[in-house]
Order: sequence, then structure tokens, then C-alpha cells
Amino acid sequence: TQLLEQSPQFLSIQEGENLTVYCNSSSVFSSLQWYRQEPGEGPVLLVTVVTGGEVKKLKRLTFQFGDARKDSSLHITAAQPGDTGLYLCAGAKWGNTDKLIFGTGTRLQVFP
Amino acid sequence: EPEVTQTPSHQVTQMGQEVILRCVPISNHLYFYWYRQILGQKVEFLVSFYNNEISEKSEIFDDQFSVERPDGSNFTLKIRSTKLEDSAMYFCASREEFRGPYNEQFFGPGTRLTVL
Repeated sequence: TQLLEQSPQFLSIQEGENLTVYCNSSSVFSSLQWYRQEPGEGPVLLVTVVTGGEVKKLKRLTFQFGDARKDSSLHITAAQPGDTGLYLCAGAKWGNTDKLIFGTGTRLQVFP
Repeated sequence: EPEVTQTPSHQVTQMGQEVILRCVPISNHLYFYWYRQILGQKVEFLVSFYNNEISEKSEIFDDQFSVERPDGSNFTLKIRSTKLEDSAMYFCASREEFRGPYNEQFFGPGTRLTVL
């Protein structure tokens, strides 16, 4: 069974603080996606990483794929209330399957 | 910006009834998916569809479920006889042509199915 465990599960911080969310697995993935989901809505794609060690930046968000392609992290610099939401990682193995395996999610609350 | 749309946004049905959830994927996309999310749980894969046939399905996707692309734009999920445990958010997703490891699936807003 392929599992993606995210930590922490919940995170409450003040505006301006930095934070890191982790996504870990014992399986190797060919790509890893990060999504953000608002209550009652669908996941919105933030980024895709495919190369071991790859780092991608999206404004104040920095995403990294582990060297072995088993884990990933999301770092937010100077968090803002607008960053509040559920962050999901999702891994995929291309070839004989392209389904996304979703992580357990990290719920972030940023207080002004 | 192109987006995946889903209707209805909320469906309430009685146990044992048939429901059809509808999705309009992004127009130039070729791969289509259904996922579900039971309240408070992870998003789970149900089925993938390509070239007018199912390419993969999960254990959840039993004989009560079926998918169809009846025309060039719609992609539907049918549940023949709903059970209480089918209550969940159902998400449709689509992806453009095969691009190796890049598996960027774009999700619709979801249909909340409530089975009474």
C-alpha cells in the first residue's frame, strides 16, 4: 500500500511567521504535486516536481522534492492570512498507472 | 482560464436510488478521473478513463459504479444503487496529453453527495 504521510496535521501560526510542511513516503514517486483545498471546494494545483532534489518557488512558497523522490516539503515564508487552507501532497507513478495518491493533508491557519 | 466544471454542486438522494454526477473536463484534455473524499478523510482515487475506456479503477469502484463519456464534452459517474457510505464529495479531474512524469491533474469544484 502506497501511503503519503503529511506533518504536521494542523498548524496555527501568526502572520509573518515561516513554516514547513512535510510529505513522506516509503515509496518512490515519479512526480509529486502540491494542492491547496478550500472548504467545500476542489483541490487547486500549486506545483509539480519530478526530479530528485528539485526546488520550485511560487512567490513565498518553496517546494522541494527529496533526492530519492520519496518525500517533499513545502516552505512558506512570511505567512499571510490568505495562506490559510488545507495543503495536500499527491504522488504519482507514471507508466502503468497515473492515479494520484493523496497525502493526509495539513490544515494551516494563519492569524493576523 | 479553462477549468473543470461539475454539476450538481449538491445532490441529496435516498438509499437505493441511482445518481448521475456530471463533469465537463477542460476541452483539450484527454485523460479523465473521478476521486472522492469522505468528510474528514483523504482524497481517494476511483477511476481513470482514456480513449473511451477505463484505464484503471480502485477497489471502491465496484459494479455499482460506471463512467461514461456520452459526447465530446461530458464525463459522467453513475452510482446505480446508492448506499449510505457513498456519501462524500466527488471530484472530477482531467489532464492533457501524456507528458511523461508530469501528471498535472486539474480538479473540478466537486459534487457533494448525501445519501439518506
